[in-house]
Amino acid sequence: NAGVMQNPRHLVRRRGQEARLRCSPMKGHSHVYWYRQLPEEGLKFMVYLQKENIIDESGMPKERFSAEFPKEGPSILRIQQVVRGDSAAYFCASSPRQGPGDFGPGTRLTVL
Amino acid sequence: DAKTTQPNSMESNEEEPVHLPCNHSTISGTDYIHWYRQLPSQGPEYVIHGLTSNVNNRMASLAIAEDRKSSTLILHRATLRDAAVYYCILRDGGKGNKLVFGAGTILRVKS
Repeated sequence: NAGVMQNPRHLVRRRGQEARLRCSPMKGHSHVYWYRQLPEEGLKFMVYLQKENIIDESGMPKERFSAEFPKEGPSILRIQQVVRGDSAAYFCASSPRQGPGDFGPGTRLTVL
Repeated sequence: DAKTTQPNSMESNEEEPVHLPCNHSTISGTDYIHWYRQLPSQGPEYVIHGLTSNVNNRMASLAIAEDRKSSTLILHRATLRDAAVYYCILRDGGKGNKLVFGAGTILRVKS
């Protein structure tokens, strides 16, 4: 059973472009959590989704960030009009039920 | 979410046991104690969790104080591969879902 997969592993964008980060949960997992880790800082919760529903988005910036977890396919974290401050490692975790789960390897976003 | 307090860093010799402390004096009755670790350039990795009783698994042991206001993660024989940031996290088993990470403890292992 493959673990949580994230792609791309590294993403470089110029200021103003869009970044799309994908998270494929483990088989049978319908709960997905996204976290962000800024350089030299701890992980911060962003959003919690369950198939087709956003359950908790209390950690999401109010503008430019959105997340979805469609019925089919991976969960997507979308950042519009990226700025240098968005440079970070973005991790997703999946779980078969509400609660902590298994983390993916992360996507490292660099904004030039 | 209840807070945890951990030392910023600790150092250990290879092949020796390591005791990583965590204080959580405001823990509530439904809070689970979780430990994750993060190796350099990797995602967090589950280590162990418990509620009231001490727990053992293939990676580590978790010793929970009787009043639950503190706990200790025990690595029985540290290896160089155990060098990581170790996070002690409380999660409300009744309604909590997300993990709230603190700064963690940086564990350095010397050969």
